[in-house]
Amino acid sequence: EPEVTQTPSHQVTQMGQEVILRCVPISNHLYFYWYRQILGQKVEFLVSFYNNEISEKSEIFDDQFSVERPDGSNFTLKIRSTKLEDSAMYFCASMGDAGNTIYFGEGSWLTVV
Amino acid sequence: GNSVTQMEGPVTLSEEAFLTINCTYTATGYPSLFWYVQYPGEGLQLLLKATKADDKGSNKGFEATYRKETTSFHLEKGSVQVSDSAVYFCALRGGTNAGKSTFGDGTTLTVKP
Repeated sequence: EPEVTQTPSHQVTQMGQEVILRCVPISNHLYFYWYRQILGQKVEFLVSFYNNEISEKSEIFDDQFSVERPDGSNFTLKIRSTKLEDSAMYFCASMGDAGNTIYFGEGSWLTVV
Repeated sequence: GNSVTQMEGPVTLSEEAFLTINCTYTATGYPSLFWYVQYPGEGLQLLLKATKADDKGSNKGFEATYRKETTSFHLEKGSVQVSDSAVYFCALRGGTNAGKSTFGDGTTLTVKP
């Protein structure tokens, strides 16, 4: 079964450093998302991306965050200058054009120290 | 805006007990409803979904019926197993195809032998 893959599975970074989380969405999917889950808390929407542009973003997705689809397969989330409170599990997700089910990756666990 | 309210946890049951996890929602229009499961140390997996009123989603013995009149999507299973121990998230997605998913807080289920 096709799946969304994410790398790295776990990253530890120092506060103030830039982090790039990578995702390979399901082939032929057109809608891409990032969510995050702070330990023990709910899953929160960050951003949705379609047709090479952001279609919606939450208040969490401030100027420190950016997304990019640099080629036909990868979808990246960049945090420019990480803060302690950015420590969370980050989930990438994708959705095909015809369906309305969003498929999630396994997540990338980011720890900012 | 959209919101999802889930039954507070944690829930602890004995094996073969009946499970209900309540979920109610607030949304404009006709959202699609989902249950996701997160096993310890893993990502989000789609458990089941329903896209219109009175639809019943089912998978792995779990069921949930989309009740528009009560704005509910309660998750049920007739006989839980130890392997069902996980965190369960109710979610909705409405509006355009690029629309974000809104998650409930999650309910932790522990099943004891």
